[in-house]
Amino acid sequence: DIQMTQSPSSLSASVGDRVTITCRASQSVGTYLNWYQQQGGKAPKLLVHSSSILQSGVPSRFSGSGSGTDFSLTVSSLQPEDFATYYCQQSYSTPRTFGQGTKVELK
Amino acid sequence: EVQLVESGGGVVQPGGSLRLSCAASGFSFSTYAMNWVRQAPGKGLEWISYISGSSVAIYYSDSVKGRFTISRDNAKNSLFLQMDSLRDDDTAVYYCARDYWNDVDWFDSWGQGTLVTVSS
Repeated sequence: DIQMTQSPSSLSASVGDRVTITCRASQSVGTYLNWYQQQGGKAPKLLVHSSSILQSGVPSRFSGSGSGTDFSLTVSSLQPEDFATYYCQQSYSTPRTFGQGTKVELK
Repeated sequence: EVQLVESGGGVVQPGGSLRLSCAASGFSFSTYAMNWVRQAPGKGLEWISYISGSSVAIYYSDSVKGRFTISRDNAKNSLFLQMDSLRDDDTAVYYCARDYWNDVDWFDSWGQGTLVTVSS
């Protein structure tokens, strides 16, 4: 199975901050890497697929990049609704695996 | 609008069984593969099962293989998860998620989840 490791596990930030979350795969997944946002107690929501393609309706302050084993999700200017937990997920092989999550909290 | 609504969760004793359902609407259900993803309390997301649109391809995670069975009824736009031999560590919110495929796949729509509690 491909292991996905996110860092940091949590971070504190303020509204307007630029935030970057990283995700590392235990083996190359090409660009088969997706990012999801989960706001407290709600279902996950797809933000980015194929490493860098923004899902329709997702604000442009979100961006994804990377290939192979190293990926990142950046929020250019945090908004109040962005305080949530973020997960990366590989779709290169089965079983599909998620990172452990990164919780973005208000400083 | 795509809608996925899970039901069937509840409290069950260890060793017991439960059947989850996911009612789909707003899209051509039979043309999409579907997944079940779960989340234990305070934990991260865990993919557990996949079924193709025609039910030809089915996959499970090692954690549920041999105990859970995924199925679908395309005539009724419904996805199911039969869970047998339940264990304490199966306690989780269970989500159904649509599989969007375009040379690679991702989970583009999710239900609100249904809580399964395994406890004596």
